[in-house]
Amino acid sequence: DGGITQSPKYLFRKEGQNVTLSCEQNLNHDAMYWYRQDPGQGLRLIYYSQIVNDFQKGDIAEGYSVSREKKESFPLTVTSAQKNPTAFYLCASSIEAGLAGVSINEQFFGPGTRLTVL
Amino acid sequence: LAKTTQPISMDSYEGQEVNITCSHNNIATNDYITWYQQFPSQGPRFIIQGYKTKVTNEVASLFIPADRKSSTLSLPRVSLSDTAVYYCLAPERGSISGGYNKLIFGAGTRLAVHP
Repeated sequence: DGGITQSPKYLFRKEGQNVTLSCEQNLNHDAMYWYRQDPGQGLRLIYYSQIVNDFQKGDIAEGYSVSREKKESFPLTVTSAQKNPTAFYLCASSIEAGLAGVSINEQFFGPGTRLTVL
Repeated sequence: LAKTTQPISMDSYEGQEVNITCSHNNIATNDYITWYQQFPSQGPRFIIQGYKTKVTNEVASLFIPADRKSSTLSLPRVSLSDTAVYYCLAPERGSISGGYNKLIFGAGTRLAVHP
């Protein structure tokens, strides 16, 4: 079964602690993304990676860090510097970032991780 | 920057056809319009993408008029399971290094289907 998985589904953290969210895909996609979603809002891009060993900041990267050591994996660390980390975090992947011809490559999303800071 | 505007919410009843219109006045010449669907506590999933005229798949139809300043997602004969948030997306082009074209997710349209 090809797909994208995230773990854990629910995560609780004490203030001041770093926490790492897992994202794995077996779709052989080059590009991977992390989004944050707050209640009633759309998705905001945190980080994205177009290829292994490369990643770029999105719109709200402050307080987050990522790594892309393997094509299949793109973990996100929420650091203590993130002032309001409670949110729903979504990981996605696509064949490549950007265009396929003139259309945008479809992004495949994982089931999400709901992070709550206590 | 291609900004999209869509209704915040819509209500419908089972068996009806639902049309959600999105305006995108500043869409670039070559940009496609993409629609995603999101159920509560799940990731969004791709529904349909189009450039002009009409595109149809097993889930929905997408109508884009000649001026391409708007598009309409049509869901035929909705059921309770179509209750979700629907996002109309246009790409933001090339402002980030490497020419990455990212998707902009607004708040979407919350569709509630009633029995």
